[in-house]
Amino acid sequence: GQSLEQPSEVTAVEGAIVQINCTYQTSGFYGLSWYQQHDGGAPTFLSYNALDGLEETGRFSSFLSRSDSYGYLLLQELQMKDSASYFCAVRDYQAAGNKLTFGGGTRVLVKP
Amino acid sequence: DAGVTQSPTHLIKTRGQQVTLRCSPISGHKSVSWYQQVLGQGPQFIFQYYEKEERGRGNFPDRFSARQFPNYSSELNVNALLLGDSALYLCASSLDSSYNEQFFGPGTRLTVL
Repeated sequence: GQSLEQPSEVTAVEGAIVQINCTYQTSGFYGLSWYQQHDGGAPTFLSYNALDGLEETGRFSSFLSRSDSYGYLLLQELQMKDSASYFCAVRDYQAAGNKLTFGGGTRVLVKP
Repeated sequence: DAGVTQSPTHLIKTRGQQVTLRCSPISGHKSVSWYQQVLGQGPQFIFQYYEKEERGRGNFPDRFSARQFPNYSSELNVNALLLGDSALYLCASSLDSSYNEQFFGPGTRLTVL
């Protein structure tokens, strides 16, 4: 089956840098996505990596190493509004078709 | 442009009842996926529909079913409700079936008593 592991919680101060790691086990891997979810809100898309390397979008960057089944999300210049849960998710192909599997989420708490 | 909409927002049912949840995707999006999110956990994939056909199914019992209509809106049905079905049910739409970028609706909070 598929499984994803990410830390449950990370605490940092405003202006700091946080790296959220995600390791996965799956078959027929297509790509790794990251989503942000504030309490009481819906998940919102942050990034998608299909190939090895770093993708940068403003203060957020995402990295993928397919050979290591590993990726990370880098949050730079942390702001209070970045306090949220962050989920990695893998898209893979199963006999039943496309499937997107989410990790358990990393709760990021930003302190002043 | 309107985002993904879901109805109802909240729902309270009792064990054994049946429920239907509705989702309207972003205009132009042809794929709709359904997820169950229990408090404190990540969303769990239930179904994906693309062009009215089922393209993916998660590890959920047959009590869960869904369909997609010609206008790409979708319904999720759950029969014989159990206490453990209490969760936030999220709908997400995307342009195609690739999952590269999904747009989530606000969800339906289902409580089973």
